[in-house]
Amino acid sequence: GAGVSQSPRYKVTKRGQDVALRCDPISGHVSLYWYRQALGQGPEFLTYFNYEAQQDKSGLPNDRFSAERPEGSISTLTIQRTEQRDSAMYRCASSLGTGGRNYEQYFGPGTRLTVT
Amino acid sequence: DAKTTQPNSMESNEEEPVHLPCNHSTISGTDYIHWYRQLPSQGPEYVIHGLTSNVNNRMASLAIAEDRKSSTLILHRATLRDAAVYYCILRGSGGSNYKLTFGKGTLLTVNP
Repeated sequence: GAGVSQSPRYKVTKRGQDVALRCDPISGHVSLYWYRQALGQGPEFLTYFNYEAQQDKSGLPNDRFSAERPEGSISTLTIQRTEQRDSAMYRCASSLGTGGRNYEQYFGPGTRLTVT
Repeated sequence: DAKTTQPNSMESNEEEPVHLPCNHSTISGTDYIHWYRQLPSQGPEYVIHGLTSNVNNRMASLAIAEDRKSSTLILHRATLRDAAVYYCILRGSGGSNYKLTFGKGTLLTVNP
């Protein structure tokens, strides 16, 4: 079946511009996560949704970063007034749920963001 | 969050077994041990997880020490496709267990 998809796969933007990154999770997956990955490092948690509710946004670096999942399916991560330090791979993941069963997370291919 | 310690890199030959170690001396009684791997230019993928008993699946085996302070991911016959960064991650059974906290992992090189 179809996995997690993300678009665009690559985004080059100028400093100060806003960008919107899209994530389409696996159908039926209740939980959705955003991570950011710098070169040579493991992914770093940004935020988590359960259905349409944003349950945890503690990993968002500052208030230029926001995310939404209005209908409990597709999610958008928005970065306003981009800065060079925002350049990274942004990864989305989804899972059937959370809780005691520790559902595995399925990751998308990522969006490589470059801020010039 | 309880931390894990893994070697930075390991090397193996194709078709030989690989034992990837992970130390987690501060693990709590309700923490599950998860392994993910990340192939070059791809997102991480789930490999296996366990709590106390050893676990097997089609990808690998997970051997957990009796005191749970360490574990070993076993690839029974390494292939070139197994070359990846392997992450050992602890996840609790409640609270913020949805969050995966990745370290730097172990870079596995498989020689033909």
